[in-house]
Amino acid sequence: EDQVTQSPEALRLQEGESSSLNCSYTVSGLRGLFWYRQDPGKGPEFLFTLYSAGEEKEKERLKATLTKKESFLHITAPKPEDSATYLCAALDYGGSQGNLIFGKGTKLSVKP
Amino acid sequence: GAGVSQSPSNKVTEKGKDVELRCDPISGHTALYWYRQSLGQGLEFLIYFQGNSAPDKSGLPSDRFSAERTGGSVSTLTIQRTQQEDSAVYLCASSPIAGVNEQYFGPGTRLTVT
Repeated sequence: EDQVTQSPEALRLQEGESSSLNCSYTVSGLRGLFWYRQDPGKGPEFLFTLYSAGEEKEKERLKATLTKKESFLHITAPKPEDSATYLCAALDYGGSQGNLIFGKGTKLSVKP
Repeated sequence: GAGVSQSPSNKVTEKGKDVELRCDPISGHTALYWYRQSLGQGLEFLIYFQGNSAPDKSGLPSDRFSAERTGGSVSTLTIQRTQQEDSAVYLCASSPIAGVNEQYFGPGTRLTVT
């Protein structure tokens, strides 16, 4: 069964304390791996798409990487405004073209 | 430009009543998706539309759920005879084409069934 698992469920960091969020996926054939940010009461906001192992993408303090089994979202020197829930999703070759399989998310809190 | 919009933002209904949720996708986007997000759960795919093709309904949880997309633009998700377990945030997303392109989400409709 296709599955996306994110860890940890929650992460508390001090401002400036770098860390990584993990997303492991089990799909028959990965078409794309997506990262989203979701603030309370809002819809997910697109961050990155990764297509093949070894690919990396960066945006401000965030960098996403992809291996054959997992993806990492690295947060460098986070600020309080980076506090949000980060969602990972996989699109499978074998599934519906619209069927993004989402993990349950990692809730990140950054304290000043 | 304008993003995906959804209405209403909040809906409280009594068990057994029907509800309609509306989604206006980004202009020019041909693919439209509905998801459901329950407390403590990941987003659950419900249905997607691509152009004039038949929709993929594989994620609809029961025959009480249906959706239509008129003129390739606005979509309505209808839940008949609502149950308490239908309480969730219903999210709509659109993308230029289905597949690997990123999906842009609306703010969601929070449905509460009492």
